Amino acid sequence: NAGVTQTPKFRILKIGQSMTLQCTQDMNHNYMYWYRQDPGMGLKLIYYSVGAGITDKGEVPNGYNVSRSTTEDFPLRLELAAPSQTSVYFCASSPRGLREQYFGPGTRLTVT
Amino acid sequence: AQSVTQLDSQVPVFEEAPVELRCNYSSSVSVYLFWYVQYPNQGLQLLLKYLSGSTLVESINGFEAEFNKSQTSFHLRKPSVHISDTAEYFCALRVHGSGNTGKLIFGQGTTLQVKP
Repeated sequence: NAGVTQTPKFRILKIGQSMTLQCTQDMNHNYMYWYRQDPGMGLKLIYYSVGAGITDKGEVPNGYNVSRSTTEDFPLRLELAAPSQTSVYFCASSPRGLREQYFGPGTRLTVT
Repeated sequence: AQSVTQLDSQVPVFEEAPVELRCNYSSSVSVYLFWYVQYPNQGLQLLLKYLSGSTLVESINGFEAEFNKSQTSFHLRKPSVHISDTAEYFCALRVHGSGNTGKLIFGQGTTLQVKP
């Protein structure tokens, strides 16, 4: 039981490039979340999903896209990377909305 | 709108000393409250939570937090810290009846630095 896994661990992008951050959970959780963490700012919710095929925006969705075709996977897409997207990205999952969220180890992204 | 404020960005303390990490929240509706801990280069782990019932909640490693509705606070305390408690601590809230989406609102985080 690996929990929540994220790939890659680190990535450097040039401005304007695109990439997908991968998130997979093996706990059969319906709820999944993407957060970004910036120093002194805590975590901000980017997107979330309450089940396969259902996604919705969080606090800071601009510049990102998500999809949820399976229960296990919840990839986050950056289409045109900007320096403001330099951050640490965390994926989390939960069996349902009222339960604890389980976090992955994070992806550290630098856009230069 | 709801918000969470952690009043200290960094708290240095010597080993075996007591510590308090402060958390205040703002909400016009009832909330659930959480403390998460993030050890260096790791993801967040749930430390403790207040959902209902007793306003004093405890973790398995000696931390406790008290929900104070009148002061809208949920401060985290430990009577004697260890070097291994060095980490970043996040206070978070979830609104009752938030459509069961489970969305969390986080504070800015407090870095606890335990010195030998």
